[in-house]
Amino acid sequence: QVLLQQWGAGLLKPSETLSLTCAVSGGSFTGYSWTWIRQPPGKGLEWIGETDHTETKYNPSLKSRVTISVDTSKNHFSLSLRSVTAADTAVYYCARGIGSYWGQGTLVTVSS
Amino acid sequence: DIQMTQSPSSLSASVGDRVTITCRASQGITNSLAWFQQKPGKAPNLLIFAASRLESGVPSRFSGSGSGTVYTLIISNLQPEDFATYYCQQYYTTPYTFGLGTRVEIK
Repeated sequence: QVLLQQWGAGLLKPSETLSLTCAVSGGSFTGYSWTWIRQPPGKGLEWIGETDHTETKYNPSLKSRVTISVDTSKNHFSLSLRSVTAADTAVYYCARGIGSYWGQGTLVTVSS
Repeated sequence: DIQMTQSPSSLSASVGDRVTITCRASQGITNSLAWFQQKPGKAPNLLIFAASRLESGVPSRFSGSGSGTVYTLIISNLQPEDFATYYCQQYYTTPYTFGLGTRVEIK
């Protein structure tokens, strides 16, 4: 059974950096792409980006502020979003590929 | 970016009904289309990928069809556990984009 477990700070101030990590267990890590998606409260889903640890793709709307990194030795991948504002308040999810498996989600609130 | 127009935005239905949700892409996506179900407070759950392929473990009352720019999710014999919000997603080209969702409510 594939399991994605994510963690990171849930409350940030404007201009700070959002950092989340997702640990993958129960399946192959290097054989898949790994994705970050977010969902503002009460709204729809937004694809942030994905990596297969050879290539990383980002949503152009966030590209200047986002980094997705991979640690294959730990079967982890991470999201960094710089200079956050209130508009970045959302539940952030990690997922495998297009979404066959998901993390539990992390609510990140940006507030002064 | 490819725009995904999903309709209706909400619908009311009864247990046992047949429900149809449509997604229209702003350009052809060659069946690179997934459907997700999301319940409040939970992560989305993949139902259908490649427009019509049922994800493992998903009940057969869910089906998908379509081609080109128009895709459909059908839920036949709606069950109480099917009341949720449904999203389509194109993964033909990045940035992958989602429809705004269809909320299926109990009539």
